[in-house]
Amino acid sequence: NAGVTQTPKFQVLKTGQSMTLQCAQDMNHNSMYWYRQDPGMGLRLIYYSASEGTTDKGEVPNGYNVSRLNKREFSLRLESAAPSQTSVYFCASHQTGRHYGYTFGSGTRLTVV
Amino acid sequence: AQRVTQPEKLLSVFKGAPVELKCNYSYSGSPELFWYVQYSRQRLQLLLRHISRESIKGFTADLNKGETSFHLKKPFAQEEDSAMYYCALLYGGATNKLIFGTGTLLAVQP
Repeated sequence: NAGVTQTPKFQVLKTGQSMTLQCAQDMNHNSMYWYRQDPGMGLRLIYYSASEGTTDKGEVPNGYNVSRLNKREFSLRLESAAPSQTSVYFCASHQTGRHYGYTFGSGTRLTVV
Repeated sequence: AQRVTQPEKLLSVFKGAPVELKCNYSYSGSPELFWYVQYSRQRLQLLLRHISRESIKGFTADLNKGETSFHLKKPFAQEEDSAMYYCALLYGGATNKLIFGTGTLLAVQP
């Protein structure tokens, strides 16, 4: 039982390049989320998918797109990377029910130069 | 709008001293609150849920609706407690979104 798996763990991009961050969970959770973590700002929600087939914007969606490929997988795409997108990205999933917290992946450390 | 405030960026204590990490929230509904811990360069791990009223690794947290607070406490800090701690509030109904505070770095000195 791997929980939430993110790839890659590290990535360096040049400004204007594109890439996709992959996330998969094996816990049969309905909801999945992408956050970015920046010093002094905590974690901010980029996009989320409350259930398979649905996606919606979070607090900081500009410059990103997402795909909920199936129940297990939720990918985050940067179409044209900018230095402001240098961050650590975390994927998370959530078991249905308000009393449960999230399970997080190990993160992707992205640097845009 | 919902909000989570952690007023301290850094809390430095000596081993064996009591610890209190502050968290205040603003939310119009019934709050569902959590504490997460992140050890150096690792993933976030769920530490406590307010609903379960449990003690994990010696930490406890009580929801005070009158003061809109959910402070994290431990009577005797250990060096291995050094980490970043995030308070989080679940909101958004069925979408179950979490909003995080900005985090407090706990440094336990020997």
